[in-house]
Amino acid sequence: GNSVTQMEGPVTLSEEAFLTINCTYTATGYPSLFWYVQYPGEGLQLLLKATKADDKGSNKGFEATYRKETTSFHLEKGSVQVSDSAVYFCALSSFTGNQFYFGTGTSLTVIP
Amino acid sequence: DVKVTQSSRYLVKRTGEKVFLECVQDMDHENMFWYRQDPGLGLRLIYFSYDVKMKEKGDIPEGYSVSREKKERFSLILESASTNQTSMYLCASSDRGRVGYTFGSGTRLTVV
Repeated sequence: GNSVTQMEGPVTLSEEAFLTINCTYTATGYPSLFWYVQYPGEGLQLLLKATKADDKGSNKGFEATYRKETTSFHLEKGSVQVSDSAVYFCALSSFTGNQFYFGTGTSLTVIP
Repeated sequence: DVKVTQSSRYLVKRTGEKVFLECVQDMDHENMFWYRQDPGLGLRLIYFSYDVKMKEKGDIPEGYSVSREKKERFSLILESASTNQTSMYLCASSDRGRVGYTFGSGTRLTVV
């Protein structure tokens, strides 16, 4: 079956620190992989995605590379800002895109 | 700008009431989904629909029903609200055969 396991939080970092949030997956077939971000009081927004192995998704300074050999899609950012404080969800979708599977979310707090 | 609109951001209802949560999308998407989000549990799929008048149970359908009379509208119904249904409810939609969800802003429901 399909599932996503992501690093548990909460994570607290100082401004300008390096961020890594780990995500691994189990899937049948060839899934697409996503990171969504949820700011306080809001719904989820797509942060980045990768649709095939070795693809790198990037947005707003965040990056993640689809690694089929390690079944991973780790989120990274070189220098976090206070405004990056949010909950981050790793997700995969089936080949048809009809259903998503989410990780449990990782809360990030960035302090000045 | 494409949108998924949930009718209420915050809702307070009494135990035993029948509750309707409305979701409308303007993207002509075939697929629509209802999730609930709880701390430590991530997102759990309640119901989804791949077409008008179609519905499928997700992982936690008990105590809920849905209605999809028009393509753009997907309603979640709590037949008799209970305190354990206090949660954040998120609606999402996606296009058949294309990858990626668009989420609404969420409805935070409190049942007292």
